[in-house]
Amino acid sequence: AQKVTQAQTEISVVEKEDVTLDCVYETRDTTYYLFWYKQPPSGELVFLIRRNSFDEQNEISGRYSWNFQKSTSSFNFTITASQVVDSAVYFCALSAYSGAGSYQLTFGKGTKLSVIP
Amino acid sequence: DGGITQSPKYLFRKEGQNVTLSCEQNLNHDAMYWYRQDPGQGLRLIYYSQIVNDFQKGDIAEGYSVSREKKESFPLTVTSAQKNPTAFYLCASKADRLFREQFFGPGTRLTVL
Repeated sequence: AQKVTQAQTEISVVEKEDVTLDCVYETRDTTYYLFWYKQPPSGELVFLIRRNSFDEQNEISGRYSWNFQKSTSSFNFTITASQVVDSAVYFCALSAYSGAGSYQLTFGKGTKLSVIP
Repeated sequence: DGGITQSPKYLFRKEGQNVTLSCEQNLNHDAMYWYRQDPGQGLRLIYYSQIVNDFQKGDIAEGYSVSREKKESFPLTVTSAQKNPTAFYLCASKADRLFREQFFGPGTRLTVL
């Protein structure tokens, strides 16, 4: 069975501070994918990034960066110089084989980020 | 524009009534999903369909029903048997059963009065 843990329920930071959102996962599969989604107050989940289990290179996209470490089963997300528009709920998710020839997403419970002006 | 639409955005229902939530996609995706989101609970899978005329139960299917008569449509019915239906419902799709990434619609917020 797959499991994703986001230990931080809520985080508040002052604008321009850096913030890291933690994600720890569990799976027996050797091939799997990890995702981060952003859910702004409007409700729709917005895809941010996908990483596969064979690619441990860190990735940077503008103010966003991701640190994938298989040794600790973690896939952490850092926002540099946070802005008010970053305020949202962020979900980490794992895609692994779930039987019957299909792959399902297992979500963490989310981390609510509030960026205070 | 390709994407997923859900309607209505807000839905109110009296206890004991069935209600159907709409989900339509024009991405030509084979697989479609319904999730339920409660505060602090993340997303939980209700039903999914990997191909037309076929669907499987997810983790919390009790009190819900679905159909998949057309590739682009995957409606969810919340029946009176669902004990606590007030929640935010999200529909998603992906290209096929082997693909990994899911794309989400804007959601429907259901409130039972």
